[in-house]
Amino acid sequence: DAGVIQSPRHEVTEMGQEVTLRCKPISGHNSLFWYRQTMMRGLELLIYFNNNVPIDDSGMPEDRFSAKMPNASFSTLKIQPSEPRDSAVYFCASSMSGGNTGELFFGEGSRLTVL
Amino acid sequence: GESVGLHLPTLSVQEGDNSIINCAYSNSASDYFIWYKQESGKGPQFIIDIRSNMDKRQGQRVTVLLNKTVKHLSLQIAATQPGDSAVYFCAATGGSARQLTFGSGTQLTVLP
Repeated sequence: DAGVIQSPRHEVTEMGQEVTLRCKPISGHNSLFWYRQTMMRGLELLIYFNNNVPIDDSGMPEDRFSAKMPNASFSTLKIQPSEPRDSAVYFCASSMSGGNTGELFFGEGSRLTVL
Repeated sequence: GESVGLHLPTLSVQEGDNSIINCAYSNSASDYFIWYKQESGKGPQFIIDIRSNMDKRQGQRVTVLLNKTVKHLSLQIAATQPGDSAVYFCAATGGSARQLTFGSGTQLTVLP
């Protein structure tokens, strides 16, 4: 298996633009997580899906952020409009345990820079 | 809520020596703990976990020790190798993985 696949790996955009990050979880995994990593705040959970249903989105910073999981093999995280403070590395992770263990499989991340 | 912190942001060890990375957590209700390794430019990678009904768990060259009395967790790496150079995160939860709180990370550098 190729692991969790994220795209794009790097994105540079201007403030106000829409950003869409994509994730393909490991086949057979039923849980998907979006994390954000910054130097100041470390790794923060944004949203968690189980069986394609959003279970906990309390970490989503504000209404500019939205996430979808239309099927078991694809998820998107969208920021509209983007702001410089959204600059971070965004990780997608999947798990086959419904989130009941800590063994999450992370993608290599999407590094977002908002100018 | 939970807060998790590592004692040292950086640690340098000689190749072949043992490494010990320490972590403290605040919530006495936390009952599941995990260590992750993150190499530069990559996502975190699961290393080992431990539940609160255990004090020690061993993997391949790694050992995690849990002291619930003082709410302290450590990761020991035996015979540290250059490939062990990375940032190491501890994480804790009193529930499921979606409630994991990650520490700030310790950068381990292995010196030749």
